[in-house]
Amino acid sequence: GEDVEQSLFLSVREGDSSVINCTYTDSSSTYLYWYKQEPGAGLQLLTYIFSNMDMKQDQRLTVLLNKKDKHLSLRIADTQTGDSAIYFCAESAGGTSYGKLTFGQGTILTVHP
Amino acid sequence: DTGVSQDPRHKITKRGQNVTFRCDPISEHNRLYWYRQTLGQGPEFLTYFQNEAQLEKSRLLSDRFSAERPKGSFSTLEIQRTEQGDSAMYLCASSWGSGQGFEKLFFGSGTQLSVL
Repeated sequence: GEDVEQSLFLSVREGDSSVINCTYTDSSSTYLYWYKQEPGAGLQLLTYIFSNMDMKQDQRLTVLLNKKDKHLSLRIADTQTGDSAIYFCAESAGGTSYGKLTFGQGTILTVHP
Repeated sequence: DTGVSQDPRHKITKRGQNVTFRCDPISEHNRLYWYRQTLGQGPEFLTYFQNEAQLEKSRLLSDRFSAERPKGSFSTLEIQRTEQGDSAMYLCASSWGSGQGFEKLFFGSGTQLSVL
């Protein structure tokens, strides 16, 4: 079955870059996503990448995909205290629904001033 | 548009009681999803609707769980004879999906269920 794994914690200083890593097992994954969850708020889609891409950049966010190793990473440049949150990696394989996602357990990012 | 709304935000119940949650999706969205999230874990897919039709249910969804989406608008998730293991955050999400490609899910803030 599908499985998505992430490291649980990451702590960085304000202004540094953060890199959050994720591995997945489903080789039929079509889309891979990064979601952000802040306390008391719903999950927010940050960015996504199609499986035939290696990299995607969106302002301070860079997503790297190594399909051979089934490894996904999210780099946040110039990390701010407002970036402190839980970050979830997720994948969907499609079929009848690309909204049926398998999530990792989340990485808690703490940004220190 | 105010986004996806879920009600109530919190629910405390005693074991064995029935509970019902409501989700109001973004009005033009045809798809509605239910996920469950326990502490320290990512959300897990439970079920989804396209308009009023329930198209898929996870094996996680026991017979005590039932979901409806009458008229393809709001949805309800009912849990009968609640157990302590049902304690979790229940998340609703909606999207415009055709089954042909990328769907952007918009999540509500969730209903936190505590079963005592």
